[in-house]
Amino acid sequence: NAGVTQTPKFQVLKTGQSMTLQCAQDMNHEYMSWYRQDPGMGLRLIHYSVGAGITDQGEVPNGYNVSRSTTEDFPLRLLSAAPSQTSVYFCASSYNRVTGYTFGSGTRLTVV
Amino acid sequence: AQSVSQHNHHVILSEAASLELGCNYSYGGTVNLFWYVQYPGQHLQLLLKYFSGDPLVKGIKGFEAEFIKSKFSFNLRKPSVQWSDTAEYFCAVRGGADGLTFGKGTHLIIQP
Repeated sequence: NAGVTQTPKFQVLKTGQSMTLQCAQDMNHEYMSWYRQDPGMGLRLIHYSVGAGITDQGEVPNGYNVSRSTTEDFPLRLLSAAPSQTSVYFCASSYNRVTGYTFGSGTRLTVV
Repeated sequence: AQSVSQHNHHVILSEAASLELGCNYSYGGTVNLFWYVQYPGQHLQLLLKYFSGDPLVKGIKGFEAEFIKSKFSFNLRKPSVQWSDTAEYFCAVRGGADGLTFGKGTHLIIQP
């Protein structure tokens, strides 16, 4: 039982490049979400999903796309990276609405 | 939309001192409330959660929190802190939409 697995752990992108941050969980959790963490800002919700085929926007969705084709995977796509997207990204999953989210170990992304 | 306010951004305490971190939220409906801890260089770990019932909830590592509905508050407490409690603490709420809304965090430093 690996929990929530995020890859890669570190990534450097050039402005305008695209990439996908991977997130997978093996706990059969229906609820998954993506956050970015910036100094002094806490964590902010980017996108979330309540099950396969269902996604919705969070607080800061611009510049990011998601899809949920399986229960296990919830990738986050950066369409055209910008320096403002330099951040630490966390994926999380939960079994239902009253349980806490389990977080992955994060991806540190730098856009130059 | 829901929001979370953490009153103290930086707290410095000596070992064995008592701790109380303030958290207020704004949301008119039923909420689930959480406290997470992030040790340096690590991902978020769930300390405790409230979803219904007894408003005084106990979590891991000797932490507890009290939900006061009339004050929209969910303050975190610990009677006697240890050096190993040095970390960032986040209050979060799960309201109408899924995903979590976080406060900006409290950086706690425990001096030996």
